[in-house]
Amino acid sequence: AQSVSQHNHHVILSEAASLELGCNYSYGGTVNLFWYVQYPGQHLQLLLKYFSGDPLVKGIKGFEAEFIKSKFSFNLRKPSVQWSDTAEYFCAVIPRGNTPLVFGKGTRLSVIA
Amino acid sequence: DTGVSQDPRHKITKRGQNVTFRCDPISEHNRLYWYRQTLGQGPEFLTYFQNEAQLEKSRLLSDRFSAERPKGSFSTLEIQRTEQGDSAMYLCASSRTGGMTEAFFGQGTRLTVV
Repeated sequence: AQSVSQHNHHVILSEAASLELGCNYSYGGTVNLFWYVQYPGQHLQLLLKYFSGDPLVKGIKGFEAEFIKSKFSFNLRKPSVQWSDTAEYFCAVIPRGNTPLVFGKGTRLSVIA
Repeated sequence: DTGVSQDPRHKITKRGQNVTFRCDPISEHNRLYWYRQTLGQGPEFLTYFQNEAQLEKSRLLSDRFSAERPKGSFSTLEIQRTEQGDSAMYLCASSRTGGMTEAFFGQGTRLTVV
């Protein structure tokens, strides 16, 4: 079945460590790609999005993601995490046209001091 | 606040009862989506509207579930004869029409069926 896969269920990092969260999707053709974040007790918020153009996209709070079409991947990165980055991160795809978002299962990030 | 709002935030109901949730989207958004999220899972699509028209329903949306958006503004999601398996967070989101647009999410309604 077509899907969005996030490789890590739970990641634990120390402050200042670098972060990379994997996301792969199985849809062909043109896709729109997103990373959403859910801080504890808060609603889902958009971190960054890719529609076209430069495959390296920058989002809020120092996050970036790289679209690699040949690998069907859209990995999220941050050079140096902070305790406040503790949250759940969701990769999401619009598979075609105007269809609704399809989400991965999420990765819980815990940043320890 | 001009974000997506959902009511109630929490609902506890007995098995077999009917429940209804409301979502008020961002006012200029003509698309409205319902998702369900359970522990350890990402949001799963249920249904969506463009204005008042319901354009797509997921196979997850059993006959006990019905959603409406009568005037193209707020939407309601009703679950009839609730079951324990319906316990979840129900999320509403809205967006403008068009592929190159993001969806904005509400805080969700947490349903617990006892």
